[in-house]
Amino acid sequence: DIQMTQSPSTLSASVGDRVTITCRASQSISSWLAWYQQKPGKAPKLLIYKASSLQSGVPSRFSGSGSGTEFTLTISSLQPDDFAAYYCQHYNSYPYSFGQGTKLEIE
Amino acid sequence: QVYLVESGGGVVQPGRSLRLSCAASGFSFSTYAMHWVRQAPGRGLEWVAVMSYDGSNKYYADSVTGRFTISRDNSKNTLYLQMNSLKPEDTAVYYCARTMIIARDYFDYWGRGTLVTVSS
Repeated sequence: DIQMTQSPSTLSASVGDRVTITCRASQSISSWLAWYQQKPGKAPKLLIYKASSLQSGVPSRFSGSGSGTEFTLTISSLQPDDFAAYYCQHYNSYPYSFGQGTKLEIE
Repeated sequence: QVYLVESGGGVVQPGRSLRLSCAASGFSFSTYAMHWVRQAPGRGLEWVAVMSYDGSNKYYADSVTGRFTISRDNSKNTLYLQMNSLKPEDTAVYYCARTMIIARDYFDYWGRGTLVTVSS
């Protein structure tokens, strides 16, 4: 099974900051990676698919990069609405799995 | 507008059974693969099971294999998860989510979830 490791687990930042979250896969997953945002009590929301494709309706300050085993999610200029939890997820093969999550907090 | 609405959660004793439902609307349900994903309180996301658009293929996480069964009724636009021999570690919010195809596809819509609590 493929394990996904995210870092950091918690990230403190301010409005306007540029932040990066890293996700590593235990084996190559090509570009079969998605990023989700989750707010408390809500379902996850798709941000990025196929490592770097922006889902329709998602602000362009969100971007993804990487392939193989190393991936990043970057938010170019944090907005108040962006403080949430973020998860990476591979969909290379079953069982699909998620990173443990990154909680983005207001500094 | 795509809607996925889960129901059937509740409090159940260890060893008992529960069936979850996910009612779909706003899209052609019978053409999508459907998944269950769960999230234990305060924890991360765990993929649970998937069924292909026509029910011909399904896969399960090791943690639920032999205890949970995924099924669907395309005439009712509804996905199900039959959960037997429940354990306290099955306590979680259960989400249904869709992918266009069963292989190598991402979750573009999720339901709001239903809470299952396994406790004596």
